[in-house]
Amino acid sequence: DAMVIQNPRYQVTQFGKPVTLSCSQTLNHNVMYWYQQKSSQAPKLLFHYYDKDFNNEADTPDNFQSRRPNTSFCFLDIRSPGLGDAAMYLCATSRDNGQPQHFGDGTRLSIL
Amino acid sequence: QKEVEQDPGPLSVPEGAIVSLNCTYSNSAFQYFMWYRQYSRKGPELLMYTYSSGNKEDGRFTAQVDKSSKYISLFIRDSQPSDSATYLCAIPPGGTASKLTFGTGTRLQVTL
Repeated sequence: DAMVIQNPRYQVTQFGKPVTLSCSQTLNHNVMYWYQQKSSQAPKLLFHYYDKDFNNEADTPDNFQSRRPNTSFCFLDIRSPGLGDAAMYLCATSRDNGQPQHFGDGTRLSIL
Repeated sequence: QKEVEQDPGPLSVPEGAIVSLNCTYSNSAFQYFMWYRQYSRKGPELLMYTYSSGNKEDGRFTAQVDKSSKYISLFIRDSQPSDSATYLCAIPPGGTASKLTFGTGTRLQVTL
């Protein structure tokens, strides 16, 4: 029973063409996170929401945006994907700050 | 110096072996420690969550924390081919911060 669901699992887009990745959760957790993970690297936090409060990491490019319309859903928008944005994008949730995070299975993004 | 250091491996062991996976960290204020397992093309899955020094056991897995040495370990007893995955240590900075600091992950291969 998946509790953090990411769609799609695989996404192919063209260089410069906007793309949106989605995440939903059934855990009713307050915090939702987006990570970027490249091959053989640790997940890198892009931003997170505590409820409706958005927290951007200092080194997250402006090209990456996020929306959280309600508790259950969170979206990652990449406005103009470049070749360097090809990666696995992971969504995670936690009950509160500093609590264990529960991950979805990710969306693997390819850029043509 | 990185906040969390982890040997990337790969580590190859025969089935039934005891596996020791390790991380060191630099900030003595860290209090909570997590281990995640990540299978290929999947999201990280929380394995162990510990607080304070000492051991925590869950089935074949034991997490050990040595705060005096700033060293954490994950032991896997009677390793199985299904344990083949990447293991990531993760540490929340504490307080109200949400960010998890991940190690780079150790890739483990358990062979028949």
